[in-house]
Amino acid sequence: EPEVTQTPSHQVTQMGQEVILRCVPISNHLYFYWYRQILGQKVEFLVSFYNNEISEKSEIFDDQFSVERPDGSNFTLKIRSTKLEDSAMYFCASGGSRTNEKLFFGSGTQLSVL
Amino acid sequence: AQKVTQAQTEISVVEKEDVTLDCVYETRDTTYYLFWYKQPPSGELVFLIRRNSFDEQNEISGRYSWNFQKSTSSFNFTITASQVVDSAVYFCALNAGGTSYGKLTFGQGTILTVHP
Repeated sequence: EPEVTQTPSHQVTQMGQEVILRCVPISNHLYFYWYRQILGQKVEFLVSFYNNEISEKSEIFDDQFSVERPDGSNFTLKIRSTKLEDSAMYFCASGGSRTNEKLFFGSGTQLSVL
Repeated sequence: AQKVTQAQTEISVVEKEDVTLDCVYETRDTTYYLFWYKQPPSGELVFLIRRNSFDEQNEISGRYSWNFQKSTSSFNFTITASQVVDSAVYFCALNAGGTSYGKLTFGQGTILTVHP
C-alpha cells in the first residue's frame, strides 16, 4: 500500500527556534493535512491544503504556523518561533479525492521543544 | 460543532476475549463520515474503516466488526477473539461533508491492552 513519509521522526529544538517538518504525500493525492497529538491527548486537526492554498485551519494554526508545497512532492509545516506547548507528535495526511475516503497518515514527527 | 466521545479511557482484556469499544458522535450535518483508526505503540495511525451516514449496514472484516446506529449516534467497534497484537490506542473520528472535507474530529481514544 502507498505510504505518506515524514521526516524527521524526531526533532528536538530550543524554544524560539524555527522548525520545518517535512512530508511526502502519496504521489497522486491532491489534499494534504497536518494534525498534531500532544502526549496522551486526542489527535487534533491543524490545517488542510488543496490547490496550493489553505482550505481550512483550526484555532491552533495561528500566525506562527505556515504550510507550503514547495515542489511537486513535498508538503511542509513550519513553526516560526517554537513554544514549549508546541511539543507534540505531528502527523501529515493525504487524500485522493473529495469523497471523504480514508486519509493516509504518515508515521509522525515527534517534536520536543526545550 | 462536531464532537466524538469515547467514554472508555482504558480497557484491559485477556487474549481470546471479545471486546467492544464505544463511540458516540454529535453533528448537525446530515451527510457525514465516521472512521476508526488504530494507533499501535509504534505511533502511526492505521486506518480501519470509513462509514458514511447513509449506510447503516453493519460491517465485518475478519475479527473486526462495526455497529453503526444513527438512532443513538453510535459507531461501536468490536474485536472478536482478541489477540495481544490488538493492543493499541483506538480512535473514533468524524468528518462532515462539504467544505470540511478531510477535517477529522477525533475522540479521546481508548487504550486497549490485551494480556496473554
